[in-house]
Amino acid sequence: GAGVSQTPSNKVTEKGKYVELRCDPISGHTALYWYRQSLGQGPEFLIYFQGTGAADDSGLPNDRFFAVRPEGSVSTLKIQRTERGDSAVYLCASSPQGQTSGNTIYFGEGSWLTVV
Amino acid sequence: RKEVEQDPGPFNVPEGATVAFNCTYSNSASQSFFWYRQDCRKEPKLLMSVYSSGNEDGRFTAQLNRASQYISLLIRDSKLSDSATYLCAVQHGSSYKLIFGSGTRLLVRP
Repeated sequence: GAGVSQTPSNKVTEKGKYVELRCDPISGHTALYWYRQSLGQGPEFLIYFQGTGAADDSGLPNDRFFAVRPEGSVSTLKIQRTERGDSAVYLCASSPQGQTSGNTIYFGEGSWLTVV
Repeated sequence: RKEVEQDPGPFNVPEGATVAFNCTYSNSASQSFFWYRQDCRKEPKLLMSVYSSGNEDGRFTAQLNRASQYISLLIRDSKLSDSATYLCAVQHGSSYKLIFGSGTRLLVRP
């Protein structure tokens, strides 16, 4: 498809386990973002990539969270030692090079993570 | 206090009604403003940007009040298909970071 693709769409994991969430941005988009949305809340910024490098990871809640984008396209959000409080939908978004205004950012459908 | 605040609702209105939502922001560095629509278990989708002069798109009108630091969304002639959560978002200066409110839920009944 032409949009931002995220896998898995749903993931149930046990507390303490390791989880990887994948994002495939719109083809040609150099900027990639991860947001987290908890129930009843708006999305909260986690990390921003421009190309391969994380330009801003200030939103990552703690060192259990890490994200990579080794080839400047697909990104993986990694969560170690998951906790029940990590349960949320993780949204990936992308935008074209040099365009980071809200009206150029496109979201994927998200990965719904449940930690039991 | 959150930087962007919205009344969570729900706003329950009959078809054809006019409904308005407000969103307040606390950081005067906010320069860009947006309304997003989010359907249940779906991603946020941009509804409209909000400009200082106000803007209209069909049944939807968005306005910005910088002095009082709020933005508004007016929906006229509500349709059943307008039922969704409406999120407002701001950006500071040329920042890439979107700061969202918690959303306002709208239910349009027949």
